Amino acid sequence: KAGVTQTPRYLIKTRGQQVTLSCSPISGHRSVSWYQQTPGQGLQFLFEYFSETQRNKGNFPGRFSGRQFSNSRSEMNVSTLELGDSALYLCASSLVGQTTDTQYFGPGTRLTVL
Amino acid sequence: AQSVSQHNHHVILSEAASLELGCNYSYGGTVNLFWYVQYPGQHLQLLLKYFSGDPLVKGIKGFEAEFIKSKFSFNLRKPSVQWSDTAEYFCAVNAMGTDKLIFGTGTRLQVFP
Repeated sequence: KAGVTQTPRYLIKTRGQQVTLSCSPISGHRSVSWYQQTPGQGLQFLFEYFSETQRNKGNFPGRFSGRQFSNSRSEMNVSTLELGDSALYLCASSLVGQTTDTQYFGPGTRLTVL
Repeated sequence: AQSVSQHNHHVILSEAASLELGCNYSYGGTVNLFWYVQYPGQHLQLLLKYFSGDPLVKGIKGFEAEFIKSKFSFNLRKPSVQWSDTAEYFCAVNAMGTDKLIFGTGTRLQVFP
């Protein structure tokens, strides 16, 4: 079974631009969660999608948004990029949800904002 | 608000030494508890989890964790570490009744031969 895939793996953007990251979950998994990983902050939860609906959201500004498609693939968008948005963005999928299921993480997208 | 503390940010050990990584959380109710590991160049993966039952949980690669409810702790242990255990370890906690999974800031473990 193929693992979680994320594209692109690396991105360099400038302040003020917007970016879209993509995540393909493991086949059959309906829950997709997104995290921001930075040194010293660990993993911070962005949002979780289940069956195309946002089920939960972390404490990030509205510039961070996402969606999930009918095939469970998910995208995350960050508008008006700031320097502080530089991070590794991780996507994780699970059968029914992040809180009770084992999550399978992708390799991440490394975003650098200049 | 829920929080998860991993007080050891960086641990350095020699092979065969014993390991204990601390994890404390702030929530008084029922919790689901996880330890995830990120080996160099690899994806985060589940090491072990606790939902209920025996508070001593065994995971992969000889790791175990003990849930002590009175101390709000879920410490990770391994009696004898190997060089291949070099990785970053994350504790995560879900408070039952919420949909949030809160991660700690991680502990970087370096094991020298």
